Amino acid sequence: SQTIHQWPATLVQPVGSPLSLECTVEGTSNPNLYWYRQAAGRGLQLLFYSVGIGQISSEVPQNLSASRPQDRQFILSSKKLLLSDSGFYLCAWIIGTGNGYTFGSGTRLTVV
Amino acid sequence: QKEVEQDPGPLSVPEGAIVSLNCTYSNSAFQYFMWYRQYSRKGPELLMYTYSSGNKEDGRFTAQVDKSSKYISLFIRDSQPSDSATYLCAMSRVESGGSNYKLTFGKGTLLTVNP
Repeated sequence: SQTIHQWPATLVQPVGSPLSLECTVEGTSNPNLYWYRQAAGRGLQLLFYSVGIGQISSEVPQNLSASRPQDRQFILSSKKLLLSDSGFYLCAWIIGTGNGYTFGSGTRLTVV
Repeated sequence: QKEVEQDPGPLSVPEGAIVSLNCTYSNSAFQYFMWYRQYSRKGPELLMYTYSSGNKEDGRFTAQVDKSSKYISLFIRDSQPSDSATYLCAMSRVESGGSNYKLTFGKGTLLTVNP
């Protein structure tokens, strides 16, 4: 069966520190992978998506970057966190046409 | 005008009530329609998925799509306290080349079912 792993579950980081969030998918090959951010009162915002290894598309210019070093691994990074980067970060995958996403359990990031 | 509009609520109902959750959209290119349920501090989980106008039923849940009116609904019959969660509508369209599907979400409706 397919599963998606996301860690850590909770993270508190100071302003200006680096960030690395990892997402891995098991039980499937060549999925489309997505990073979303959910902020209170603002809904789910698509940050990055990837249709293959090394292929990254950015939806919103900001302080974050993404990489896909392996088929089933998706990483969200920042060199220097801002207060505005606080939020609930969700990784998701999809395979096939028009199916719904499967989301990971999320990382709650608080920048202090 | 936002692509997807969803009444944020909150919505509070007694146990056993019928719940109606709704979203409207403006982009006629949307082809696939979904409802997600999100419990507090958890990732969203897919509840219902459909791509055609009409009704789709799964247990106590019914998803309704009206493409002509650009309106979708989720009905919950015999609501239970365990249904208390945030419900998100989502829609997708195929991007050029057919290799990517991006979901656009409503902001979610917070539902509380009181025992």
